[in-house]
Amino acid sequence: DVKVTQSSRYLVKRTGEKVFLECVQDMDHENMFWYRQDPGLGLRLIYFSYDVKMKEKGDIPEGYSVSREKKERFSLILESASTNQTSMYLCASSRGQGTQYFGPGTRLTVL
Amino acid sequence: GENVEQHPSTLSVQEGDSAVIKCTYSDSASNYFPWYKQELGKRPQLIIDIRSNVGEKKDQRIAVTLNKTAKHFSLHITETQPEDSAVYFCAASFTGNQFYFGTGTSLTVIP
Repeated sequence: DVKVTQSSRYLVKRTGEKVFLECVQDMDHENMFWYRQDPGLGLRLIYFSYDVKMKEKGDIPEGYSVSREKKERFSLILESASTNQTSMYLCASSRGQGTQYFGPGTRLTVL
Repeated sequence: GENVEQHPSTLSVQEGDSAVIKCTYSDSASNYFPWYKQELGKRPQLIIDIRSNVGEKKDQRIAVTLNKTAKHFSLHITETQPEDSAVYFCAASFTGNQFYFGTGTSLTVIP
């Protein structure tokens, strides 16, 4: 059974703080993704990675960076959190053009 | 890039009736179309998918149809039950490295 876990379910940070969101998958998937989910906007891709140390920008990369030092772990970094980054963040992983398996999500509030 | 539009944004049906959700896509190169169900407070989960070499796929009460010429695909749920109440997302992908999601349909099944 595929398991995708995220480091926190809920997170509250202050404007200007550096924020790290971590995602770990246990199925040796080469692809990993970070999305943000906002009401009425669906899931929007921030960044994805198709291999260790490889990353590609998605539709809304501004204000975010990512790190993938190990195959199973994909981190999303908010260098200087802002209130408009308050959102639900979902991580996902997949093999090839296969099913995406999602993590439980992190609800981030930036005050 | 790809643009996926999903309609309707909300849908209410009586238990036992059918529900249909439609998505259109813009990039004719897209060849993989998954549908995800997200129950309240839970992660999105794949319920059915279709590839561009197939026109229709069925799994019990759920079916997906694809019209490549018109660039649209639809989710059909028959004999709806209260547990079908959720948000449904369509998506389109060409490479499997990047998925483009619709904005979601909130389905309510009224007992």
